[in-house]
Amino acid sequence: SQQGEEDPQALSIQEGENATMNCSYKTSINNLQWYRQNSGRGLVHLILIRSNEREKHSGRLRVTLDTSKKSSSLLITASRAADTASYFCATDADNNAGNMLTFGGGTRLMVKP
Amino acid sequence: DTEVTQTPKHLVMGMTNKKSLKCEQHMGHRAMYWYKQKAKKPPELMFVYSYEKLSINESVPSRFSPECPNSSLLNLHLHALQPEDSALYLCASSQAGGTYYSYGYTFGSGTRLTVV
Repeated sequence: SQQGEEDPQALSIQEGENATMNCSYKTSINNLQWYRQNSGRGLVHLILIRSNEREKHSGRLRVTLDTSKKSSSLLITASRAADTASYFCATDADNNAGNMLTFGGGTRLMVKP
Repeated sequence: DTEVTQTPKHLVMGMTNKKSLKCEQHMGHRAMYWYKQKAKKPPELMFVYSYEKLSINESVPSRFSPECPNSSLLNLHLHALQPEDSALYLCASSQAGGTYYSYGYTFGSGTRLTVV
């Protein structure tokens, strides 16, 4: 089952612009993670934010988490053509017996040179 | 070694065939996963192994049979599949943690399966 919903489903921007993707989820979580997937291949882990954190940075990535609104956002600054990919949020719900990530629907990002 | 290796990369099989997908990691991760992904959809969890024991089976049909022979290997045995089972099958691994200390996953590049 799908825990998260992502918005927008598709995003097209020019190189150098910022890209913002949003994720909403339904149940309480331990943490929320963002992944990137190029051309239907394997997913690459980008960043993990725990339920007691509100903001996290990694290079050109900035992730926020609002547990009261059950939402997160991923900001990619100064985008590059190489950032073209699908981006997924994934949640680890706090009622699980073990590690179990549930992925949102994803945002397809296209960065035009 | 920071990779998850999946073989084969592509597989075409008939509905009466038996085949296996293989996954290997040498990062010392004690949790391993199988996900199924259809085109333009998110990955869907199939199985979770924790310390070589099956801990989660997401109501997957019995024509998919997972196996974890040791802490580095994960197999998915396929038998009597249907055309709708055609998809990208992704293996992942992570450190095994409690419900709070979950860790990011390392994914393999997947096996693209076509059932004819």
